[in-house]
Amino acid sequence: AQRVTQPEKLLSVFKGAPVELKCNYSYSGSPELFWYVQYSRQRLQLLLRHISRESIKGFTADLNKGETSFHLKKPFAQEEDSAMYYCALSTFNRDDKIIFGKGTRLHILP
Amino acid sequence: ETGVTQSPTHLIKTRGQQVTLRCSSQSGHNTVSWYQQALGQGPQFIFQYYREEENGRGNFPPRFSGLQFPNYSSELNVNALELDDSALYLCASSIDPAPNYEQYFGPGTRLTVT
Repeated sequence: AQRVTQPEKLLSVFKGAPVELKCNYSYSGSPELFWYVQYSRQRLQLLLRHISRESIKGFTADLNKGETSFHLKKPFAQEEDSAMYYCALSTFNRDDKIIFGKGTRLHILP
Repeated sequence: ETGVTQSPTHLIKTRGQQVTLRCSSQSGHNTVSWYQQALGQGPQFIFQYYREEENGRGNFPPRFSGLQFPNYSSELNVNALELDDSALYLCASSIDPAPNYEQYFGPGTRLTVT
């Protein structure tokens, strides 16, 4: 069965330090992977997707098919990065259209 | 361009009752997906509607049902409510059901079952 694992519930990082939010997936097909973010009192929104290979707000994520990972990284954390981050796997399967991880709360310390 | 809207914002129901939640998709979007998000969990896929037809369903019992209308707005109906149905219900719309398309989420409806 398809699965997305985010091993950390909470990650606290000092401002200016590097950030890495981990995401591992389990899927036999070719994965479409996303990172969604939810800032305080805002709705869930797309941060980035692996096919676009872009950097958004300084964040990047590389798909590693060998390790089945899609970790989210940023070299220098900013206070406004504090939010809830969800890794998501999207498939063509009718039963598992999109599978979200449980999320990691990123807390940037001043 | 109007974003995804959901109504109501909050709802309190009693076990055994029925509830209908509503979602208006973003302009130009023909696909709506519904999710249940329990406290401390990620969103869990309930079902998806594409051009008024169900286009996929997650592991939810038949008492969870839905509709999509010609204007692509959608309803989620839950019959015989159980305490475990208490959750945030999210809907998301996209311009296409293919997996590489971004989903645009609504603010959610908080359902409490007592």
